[in-house]
Amino acid sequence: NAGVMQNPRHLVRRRGQEARLRCSPMKGHSHVYWYRQLPEEGLKFMVYLQKENIIDESGMPKERFSAEFPKEGPSILRIQQVVRGDSAAYFCASSPPTQSGWTQYFGPGTRLLVL
Amino acid sequence: KQEVTQIPAALSVPEGENLVLNCSFTDSAIYNLQWFRQDPGKGLTSLLLIQSSQREQTSGRLNASLDKSSGRSTLYIAASQPGDSATYLCASMNTGNQFYFGTGTSLTVIP
Repeated sequence: NAGVMQNPRHLVRRRGQEARLRCSPMKGHSHVYWYRQLPEEGLKFMVYLQKENIIDESGMPKERFSAEFPKEGPSILRIQQVVRGDSAAYFCASSPPTQSGWTQYFGPGTRLLVL
Repeated sequence: KQEVTQIPAALSVPEGENLVLNCSFTDSAIYNLQWFRQDPGKGLTSLLLIQSSQREQTSGRLNASLDKSSGRSTLYIAASQPGDSATYLCASMNTGNQFYFGTGTSLTVIP
């Protein structure tokens, strides 16, 4: 059973471009979470999605950031008009529909560098 | 809002030593607390998960404790090895299905 997959692993963008980060959850997992790790800071929650629904986006910046988890295909975190401050590692995690303990399984992350 | 603090930020020990990493949190209404390991440029590896009703969990040379009333957790590593060198992250899950992470302790075990 493959783990959580994220691609690309590294992404370089110039200011003003768009960044698309993809996350494929573990097989059978229908819950996806996105976290951001800024340099020298801890991971911060951004958004929690289930298939076709955003459950909690309280950690998402109000502008330029959006996330989706369609019925088919990976979850996408989209950053429009990137700025240097968006440079960070973005981690995706997934969990199954029902479980005890509420743990999350993390992917290897996408490291975004904005020039 | 939950705040998670880890002390020390960095720790360097000679191989073979036992060590303790500390984690504190401000909101004791947690669902669980989890310790992760993060290697440079890599993702997170779950080490130990402690449910709110539990006091400790053990896996091999690792032992994690939880004291909800004082808002503290510790990760004990016995007989440290160079391969233990990594950043250790503590995270609490409160209601809402999101983890609150500390900034981590960077551990270096010197051969």
